[in-house]
Amino acid sequence: AQTVTQSQPEMSVQEAETVTLSCTYDTSESDYYLFWYKQPPSRQMILVIRQEAYKQQNATENRFSVNFQKAAKSFSLKISDSQLGDAAMYFCAYLMGYGGSQGNLIFGKGTKLSVKP
Amino acid sequence: NAGVTQTPKFQVLKTGQSMTLQCAQDMNHEYMSWYRQDPGMGLRLIHYSVGAGITDQGEVPNGYNVSRSTTEDFPLRLLSAAPSQTSVYFCASSYSEGRYGYTFGSGTRLTVV
Repeated sequence: AQTVTQSQPEMSVQEAETVTLSCTYDTSESDYYLFWYKQPPSRQMILVIRQEAYKQQNATENRFSVNFQKAAKSFSLKISDSQLGDAAMYFCAYLMGYGGSQGNLIFGKGTKLSVKP
Repeated sequence: NAGVTQTPKFQVLKTGQSMTLQCAQDMNHEYMSWYRQDPGMGLRLIHYSVGAGITDQGEVPNGYNVSRSTTEDFPLRLLSAAPSQTSVYFCASSYSEGRYGYTFGSGTRLTVV
């Protein structure tokens, strides 16, 4: 069964600095999708970035970028120029695309990011 | 464009009571799912649907029931509430088997006493 592991329960970063959140996953599939979701105190789940496994190029969305290492099954999120509004829980998620539970997400346990002014 | 609408936002139930959490989406998404979020556990899949009339169980289905009579609506029923069902519940929807990500509702915080 696929699993997603976020090894950092909490992280802290100074405003305007860069921080990297780690995520590893386990799968025997070759074609899949990975996501990072942000959950601020409002509780809303917000899609930050997505990565298609068959694409070598790392995804980028403004200040957010990923380091996707397919062979190592690693999918880290880098936040550049951190802002106070980046403070939130961040969840890494893997999309199941085959067999049972098709099209559903498996989530890691989350990393709580604090941003210091 | 309302996206995914969940009601209620908060609910307190007594053990043994039943209730239905409502979820509606206006994006014509074929995929809909229910997750529960517990501290330190991330989000876990309860039930999901790949289209009207089709539902299936996820990772933690016990004590919950779903049906999907229309594309728009996907209610979650708690049959006999237990304290272990105290959680935050999220409904989500997507198209194209979720390849472009899911849109989430704002969640329901449920407390069972």
